[in-house]
Amino acid sequence: QSALTQPRSVSGSPGQSVTISCTGTSSDVGGYNYVSWYQQHPGKAPKLMIYDVSKRPSGVPDRFSGSKSGNTASLTISGLQADDEADYYCCSYAGSYTWVFGGGTKLTVL
Amino acid sequence: QVQLVESGGGLVKPGGSLRLSCAASGFTFSDYYMTWIRQAPGKGLECVSYISSSSTYTSYAGSVKGRFTISRDNAKNSLYLQMNSLRAEDTAVYYCARRSEAGAGFDYWGQGILVTVSS
Repeated sequence: QSALTQPRSVSGSPGQSVTISCTGTSSDVGGYNYVSWYQQHPGKAPKLMIYDVSKRPSGVPDRFSGSKSGNTASLTISGLQADDEADYYCCSYAGSYTWVFGGGTKLTVL
Repeated sequence: QVQLVESGGGLVKPGGSLRLSCAASGFTFSDYYMTWIRQAPGKGLECVSYISSSSTYTSYAGSVKGRFTISRDNAKNSLYLQMNSLRAEDTAVYYCARRSEAGAGFDYWGQGILVTVSS
């Protein structure tokens, strides 16, 4: 299956909000409510930020929120902070026990 | 606390083989689905292989199907990835990760292990 489509980069100033999109097909994003989002700082392992489209694991600030409409999922980060600067990846279940990731989005906090 | 520790990486020639291991601790390993996810240098994430808690179900990315085999030993709390016929494009950091019991997400990741395929 093909990777999900994410913007290469987004940016925002401290305190602002940014939204990262993740576009797939009816065979993955649109077909299941199984989208997750990961934050990855340089040289570190990814960290789960959102699962099942909009649920937050314990310890993840409520500044991070997820949603989905049709074949596109979105991650919104409000009240941007310097430490939010990282790469973000979406992931979707694609059936038959397979998972597909997005290409990643680099978030720059200006 | 939950820990996942990968081992077995290194430098291998094209066409060679390598077996990655992931030692799990801090949770009931046999209750969880597990996965291997890789990241080529400067690139994004790719789910290489996935295995159910009792090994009943497995899946592979098209890029590795027929060359890689995922397995687990619940008695040893360990996950494995046997990689054969390695290619330069398999060069990556390989992470083992646990699928969350709460839902569809990978909630714990190892630190990653580098596999370099080069002559």
